[in-house]
Amino acid sequence: DQQVKQNSPSLSVQEGRISILNCDYTNSMFDYFLWYKKYPAEGPTFLISISSIKDKNEDGRFTVFLNKSAKHLSLHIVPSQPGDSAVYFCAASSDAGAQKLVFGQGTRLTINP
Amino acid sequence: NAGVTQTPKFQVLKTGQSMTLQCAQDMNHEYMSWYRQDPGMGLRLIHYSVGAGITDQGEVPNGYNVSRSTTEDFPLRLLSAAPSQTSVYFCASGSGDSAYEQYFGPGTRLTVT
Repeated sequence: DQQVKQNSPSLSVQEGRISILNCDYTNSMFDYFLWYKKYPAEGPTFLISISSIKDKNEDGRFTVFLNKSAKHLSLHIVPSQPGDSAVYFCAASSDAGAQKLVFGQGTRLTINP
Repeated sequence: NAGVTQTPKFQVLKTGQSMTLQCAQDMNHEYMSWYRQDPGMGLRLIHYSVGAGITDQGEVPNGYNVSRSTTEDFPLRLLSAAPSQTSVYFCASGSGDSAYEQYFGPGTRLTVT
């Protein structure tokens, strides 16, 4: 039972355009959501997060939107740059005390020059 | 700071062998976790620890043991390796100051034949 789903295994975007990565979840107890970025042969690195009390969080070129009623979140990257090419994982948690994260399957983003 | 370090980077085991994956962090983080990454599955939590002497099971704990005798170290033991344990293993750490946001090591690629 996949509680966090990223239904697009891959996404290709032109450099300078907007990249939109999507994530759906089923567990209404999740109260914190994160995006991680992963390059080949490296561990994931934290990118941006959002609490369930907010519907938007922005950090430079990266914005995360949360729609609680639809149990959906998205990551917007604008403008997209070649260095953004990586696998992006959506993650969720309902237990800050243990930092137990539930991850989606990942979306491979390719930025074309 | 070295951050989160993992050894070895690569390992090949025969079915039935045992081994320990090492993980260490130098950020004085109280939380440490082990995840495995399989194609199409994202990262799944194996075991986690909220402090020295305290460990608990995650989503996929069977076949693995952990202990946390110090704040810095969190080794993962495979008791009797099986081909189903072929995966990439990531260790992560985090602190209560930045709840949920975990720092990942570079990973250990394990193949069980």
